[in-house]
Amino acid sequence: QKEVEQDPGPLSVPEGAIVSLNCTYSNSAFQYFMWYRQYSRKGPELLMYTYSSGNKEDGRFTAQVDKSSKYISLFIRDSQPSDSATYLCAMSAGEPGNTGKLIFGQGTTLQVKP
Amino acid sequence: NAGVTQTPKFQVLKTGQSMTLQCAQDMNHNSMYWYRQDPGMGLRLIYYSASEGTTDKGEVPNGYNVSRLNKREFSLRLESAAPSQTSVYFCASSEPDLNYFMNTEAFFGQGTRLTVV
Repeated sequence: QKEVEQDPGPLSVPEGAIVSLNCTYSNSAFQYFMWYRQYSRKGPELLMYTYSSGNKEDGRFTAQVDKSSKYISLFIRDSQPSDSATYLCAMSAGEPGNTGKLIFGQGTTLQVKP
Repeated sequence: NAGVTQTPKFQVLKTGQSMTLQCAQDMNHNSMYWYRQDPGMGLRLIYYSASEGTTDKGEVPNGYNVSRLNKREFSLRLESAAPSQTSVYFCASSEPDLNYFMNTEAFFGQGTRLTVV
């Protein structure tokens, strides 16, 4: 079983919908939780970053972390066609001598239809 | 600002051929990484280098070697390519805070699409 599990989708929604993307993980040492967005044939780019538990909001995007359940979510409000991309969750433990290496989920492909 | 630059962007190899994927970053980052991306598998870490002069295996190192040539450059070598190594390869760099164990953003290159026939 992978350390990080993410439903690969694909997920198709109409423009304006609220989108919920989720990941579960098994390693309780993970402390840093990230969401990357990857457009077709491009490299991933950081979208949201959260340390430990709690919520973080940035415009239409909200990231939630529930360490007790080992579950993280990304919500997209008022989704736009430009949000169509693959969304990857990523985590790291921040171990001593932190190397910054990340463990990724499988990625969820999202299509927002006009 | 170029960020992370990978060459080549596309490559087709025959089984058994060798090649080196090049990666360079201009952000003065200490840590660099090589990932591969396959459908339904997400990004998997092949090798990483926490600082110049050090390299370590990641999740899927078999069939690959790496060289951290200097602080800017981190290359990935396939000595004898196999069809199972058909994938999209991404190089990334970041600057983790070693004193406070905080993670920071990883910056990715545009990827190298490799096909082994």
